[in-house]
Amino acid sequence: EPEVTQTPSHQVTQMGQEVILRCVPISNHLYFYWYRQILGQKVEFLVSFYNNEISEKSEIFDDQFSVERPDGSNFTLKIRSTKLEDSAMYFCASRNRGGNIQYFGAGTRLSVL
Amino acid sequence: TQLLEQSPQFLSIQEGENLTVYCNSSSVFSSLQWYRQEPGEGPVLLVTVVTGGEVKKLKRLTFQFGDARKDSSLHITAAQPGDTGLYLCAGVRDSNYQLIWGAGTKLIIKP
Repeated sequence: EPEVTQTPSHQVTQMGQEVILRCVPISNHLYFYWYRQILGQKVEFLVSFYNNEISEKSEIFDDQFSVERPDGSNFTLKIRSTKLEDSAMYFCASRNRGGNIQYFGAGTRLSVL
Repeated sequence: TQLLEQSPQFLSIQEGENLTVYCNSSSVFSSLQWYRQEPGEGPVLLVTVVTGGEVKKLKRLTFQFGDARKDSSLHITAAQPGDTGLYLCAGVRDSNYQLIWGAGTKLIIKP
């Protein structure tokens, strides 16, 4: 069964460092999303991406964040200069055209020290 | 800003009991989804309800969408220890299929 895969499963970084979280969406899906979940808090929308551009982003998704689909299969989330409060689970999801079901990856746990 | 209030946040009951989890909003959603999330994993979709008043059943789980499409409930009959987990509701926005999440209900079923 097709699935969304995310790597790494756990990323530990020092404050101020850049991190890139990687996602491989389901191959025929066209819409891509990033969400984050701070420990003990609700899942929060970060950004949606379609046709090689951001279609919507939340207030959380500031200039420190960027997304890219560099090669037609990967979908990446970059945090330029990590802060302690960026520590969270980051989930990637993808959706096909015309469907309202987003399929989620297992997440990347980001720990900023 | 659309918000989805989920309650209770935590529920611990004995095996065999019934329970209901609620999600409420002042906003209308095009549909509402219920997920289950295990520790260290991403949310897994259980069901999507689309029509106001719709009821869907998944074995001992009954999902209902409010008539006005602003609220939803998950009812579990005769809960089993295997039902233990985090249950999340998420409202689907029309414009971009962005999900608006409830805070989750951590459910523990004691044998």
